[in-house]
Formats: sequence, structure tokens, C-alpha cells
Amino acid sequence: EAAVTQSPRSKVAVTGGKVTLSCHQTNNHDYMYWYRQDTGHGLRLIHYSYVADSTEKGDIPDGYKASRPSQENFSLILELASLSQTAVYFCASSWGRDTQYFGPGTRLLVL
Amino acid sequence: GDSVTQTEGLVTLTKGLPVMLNCTYQTTYSPFLFWYVQHLNEAPKLLLKSSTDNKRTEHQGFYATLHKSSSSFHLQKSSVQLSDSALYFCALTVSGGNYKPTFGKGTSLVVHP
Repeated sequence: EAAVTQSPRSKVAVTGGKVTLSCHQTNNHDYMYWYRQDTGHGLRLIHYSYVADSTEKGDIPDGYKASRPSQENFSLILELASLSQTAVYFCASSWGRDTQYFGPGTRLLVL
Repeated sequence: GDSVTQTEGLVTLTKGLPVMLNCTYQTTYSPFLFWYVQHLNEAPKLLLKSSTDNKRTEHQGFYATLHKSSSSFHLQKSSVQLSDSALYFCALTVSGGNYKPTFGKGTSLVVHP
């Protein structure tokens, strides 16, 4: 089974601060994704990437940047964290348009 | 653009009863449909997938058939268990076009004793 890990698993950040969430996958998948999930709600796509050094905007990219320095690593950056960005963030990877394998999630609380 | 619609936000059932969670989609490309399940405080994981028209796919007692004529991929189970309580997402990817996966809003299934 695909292995996707995320760090940190939880984080408390201050409003206006910078937050970096990291994702690592070990299955040589080409696609990687960042989603946010608000309590009891669905998954919303923030950014995705299908090749190293390139990222694409998802459905809700405002306030977020992404970086894919290698095939294995995909980061999500909040330059100026805001209260509204409190959520659980999931990273996922896939081989092409096939099954997405999700990481365990990062709980972000912005105060 | 592509879209996925899950009409039920919450489904509440008694253990042992059958369930059907609805999923319809819209795309002009060839579709791949997925059902993901997310238990409380866990990550979503694949339950079922299909890209073959009119072929039933099954896993862990759940089943679904992709019907391209009606753009549907409903999830069914004949007898729900307490452990089936979870959030269920229908998702779409397509062959061709500007690739971006599309998820439905999810259906929360609550099974009572």
C-alpha cells in the first residue's frame, strides 16, 4: 500500500505567521495533492502537482502556496496564516489519475 | 467543468438495513469513478473504483455499478453494520482534458444499533 507521511501532525500557529506543512511519499507516484477539510465537511483541493518543480492551482488556492522540489516531497505554505485557515490538511498521492492515497492529516489551529 | 453531486448529506439507518448513497457526475471526458470512506479521525481511503460501463464492482460488502448512460455511480450495501458509520466521498477523474480530481461534498452515514 502507498505510504504518504505528513509533518507536523498538529500545529498551533499565530495569526500572520508563516506555516509550512510537509508531505513525503515513497511510492514513486507522479501526482501529489493538498486538500483541506473543515470539521464534518468535504475535501477541497488547494494545490496539486504532476511533476517535480511544477504546481497547479486547485479549487481554493488563495492564501496558499505549494512547492514540489522532488517527486517525493510536496509542501504547502501559508505565508500569512489567518483564523479561517484552521482546518485539517490532507496530502495525497496517485499514479496518474488512479486511486489517491492519503496521508494521516495535519491539524492546524490558527490563533 | 467537471462536477460530482452527492444528494444526501446525512443518512441515518438501523443496523441490518440496506443502504444506497447517491452519486452522479458531469463530464465531457471518459470518467473514472471512486468511492472513498473516511472513518472518524482517520484519513480517507479507497473503497471502490470503476471506469467500466455497466460492470458491478464490490469490496467489503459494498458494491457499485458505473452507468454512463445516467452518469451515476451509486454505492450500495445490503446490510449495514455499526462499523460502516463514516463519511463517504464520491470522486471523479477523467481521461483527457485539464486534469483535476473532483470530489463530491460527502455523505455521512450513521448506523444505529
